[in-house]
Amino acid sequence: EAGVAQSPRYKIIEKRQSVAFWCNPISGHATLYWYQQILGQGPKLLIQFQNNGVVDDSQLPKDRFSAERLKGVDSTLKIQPAKLEDSAVYLCASSLGDQANEQFFGPGTRLTVL
Amino acid sequence: GNSVTQMEGPVTLSEEAFLTINCTYTATGYPSLFWYVQYPGEGLQLLLKATKADDKGSNKGFEATYRKETTSFHLEKGSVQVSDSAVYFCALSSWGAQKLVFGQGTRLTINP
Repeated sequence: EAGVAQSPRYKIIEKRQSVAFWCNPISGHATLYWYQQILGQGPKLLIQFQNNGVVDDSQLPKDRFSAERLKGVDSTLKIQPAKLEDSAVYLCASSLGDQANEQFFGPGTRLTVL
Repeated sequence: GNSVTQMEGPVTLSEEAFLTINCTYTATGYPSLFWYVQYPGEGLQLLLKATKADDKGSNKGFEATYRKETTSFHLEKGSVQVSDSAVYFCALSSWGAQKLVFGQGTRLTINP
């Protein structure tokens, strides 16, 4: 079974530029998550989708971050404009959405903002 | 709000040593508890989980017991190997809220 796919794996941009990340969850997984992991910290949820609807985006900085999950499958996360403090690893995870809630994580995209 | 506190790292042990990584949590209700592991260059993987009080999760020789009275979920292994070197994350999810809340992670290095 294929795992969660993410691209790109690495991205370096200058502050005030825009960047987008892509995630393809495990087939059949209804729930998709984007987490931000700053160096030396645990991942922090940015946004959670159930199919193509947003369940939780309470910690998403909506002035600069946006995310969508068209057709309830793939998802993109965008940052516009980027700030230095956005340097982090962005992790995508998916789960069946049942109470067992086992989340499967992709390899992440490491973003460096200069 | 919900939170997880992990033992500060890094932790360095010799091969075959006994491992304990402490984890305590604050949560409303009855959360599910997890340990995730991140090997060098790889993504987060679920190591083990427990969904109710007194449950013991186990995998690959690792164990953790859900202790409601002490709000803890300490990770243990009787004899570590070099291949166990990784970053370990304790996490919880509340009933009805599927998002994971993670601790800060503990980097473990095992020397031969």
